[in-house]
Amino acid sequence: AQSVTQLDSHVSVSEGTPVLLRCNYSSSYSPSLFWYVQHPNKGLQLLLKYTSAATLVKGINGFEAEFKKSETSFHLTKPSAHMSDAAEYFCVVSGNYGGATNKLIFGTGTLLAVQP
Amino acid sequence: KAGVTQTPRYLIKTRGQQVTLSCSPISGHRSVSWYQQTPGQGLQFLFEYFSETQRNKGNFPGRFSGRQFSNSRSEMNVSTLELGDSALYLCASSAGPNSGNTIYFGEGSWLTVV
Repeated sequence: AQSVTQLDSHVSVSEGTPVLLRCNYSSSYSPSLFWYVQHPNKGLQLLLKYTSAATLVKGINGFEAEFKKSETSFHLTKPSAHMSDAAEYFCVVSGNYGGATNKLIFGTGTLLAVQP
Repeated sequence: KAGVTQTPRYLIKTRGQQVTLSCSPISGHRSVSWYQQTPGQGLQFLFEYFSETQRNKGNFPGRFSGRQFSNSRSEMNVSTLELGDSALYLCASSAGPNSGNTIYFGEGSWLTVV
């Protein structure tokens, strides 16, 4: 079965410094991986997705993630944090291996705080 | 075009009651799935529908049920509510049940059981 592990429950950075949110996945096959963001009292917004094309995936708001099969990682990065990036971030894997499903399996989330 | 719309946004129910939540997917989307979000359990998959058929069901008791209509709108129902059912219920839609499809979420329905 697929799973994802978010290695940090809380990350705090200063505005203008780089952001790194770490995620490892477990999958026997090439997975579909996503990062979603949730601002307080809001739904989930897709930042980016990996579906076996380019290993470096660019998303919205300057975020990107690199799929590393050898390390089973899909870390999310941003060169320079903005105050508006403060939110909870979820690493997500699709439930079936390239199959016909939209079932998503979520990590436990990383709460990103951005200090002025 | 309009995003995923969930109604009601907030509701309070009493233990033992039942509740129905509604979800209208993005126009043209035929796949709808539901998730429960709680502080203790995080985000958990409830069920997935495509063309009025349930394709997947998560590990929830039978008190949780859902359906999808011919216009792709979906409802979920929770009967005999328990305090632990208090949660944010999120609906998501996509064009179809392909794992590479982009999945869009609504803003959720906040359910409080007292």
